[in-house]
Amino acid sequence: EAGVTQFPSHSVIEKGQTVTLRCDPISGHDNLYWYRRVMGKEIKFLLHFVKESKQDESGMPNNRFLAERTGGTYSTLKVQPAELEDSGVYFCASSRGTRFSAFFGQGTRLTVV
Amino acid sequence: AQSVTQLGSHVSVSEGALVLLRCNYSSSVPPYLFWYVQYPNQGLQLLLKYTTGATLVKGINGFEAEFKKSETSFHLTKPSAHMSDAAEYFCAASGNMLTFGGGTRLMVKP
Repeated sequence: EAGVTQFPSHSVIEKGQTVTLRCDPISGHDNLYWYRRVMGKEIKFLLHFVKESKQDESGMPNNRFLAERTGGTYSTLKVQPAELEDSGVYFCASSRGTRFSAFFGQGTRLTVV
Repeated sequence: AQSVTQLGSHVSVSEGALVLLRCNYSSSVPPYLFWYVQYPNQGLQLLLKYTTGATLVKGINGFEAEFKKSETSFHLTKPSAHMSDAAEYFCAASGNMLTFGGGTRLMVKP
């Protein structure tokens, strides 16, 4: 069984550009989460999908971040325009339910210069 | 709102020594508790979890953790450290999403 897959593994972009991160969850997992770890800080929750619906997006930093989950399968997280403080590692996780263990992808390391 | 605190951002032990990584949580309701490990250039891997029932939980690679409600703690231990245990460890509490501690980087000296 394939795990959670994230693309790209690394991305370096200039301030003001747009970047789109992708996450493919484990097949059959309705719950998909995005988290972010900024250098030296805790891993912070960004948002939670149940199938294609946003269940909780209270952790999204601002309206430069847009997350979608087409058809309840893969998810994208777009940052537009990127700012320096958006640099960090973005993790995606999926689970069968909210009280089940979440499985994480390898993360996307985003560097905004 | 719940919070998770990991005491010590860096812990260094000698190979063969006891590993103790501390985690305390703050929650009005005892949450589900997890320990994740991140090896270099890899994602977060679940080590073990506590949901209900037995308070001593055994995980992979010889790690275990004990849930102590009276102390609101969920410390991670391993009797004998191995070089391959060098990694960053994260304690997390679950509501509808995970709340993480700051992480503890474990270094193992030969």
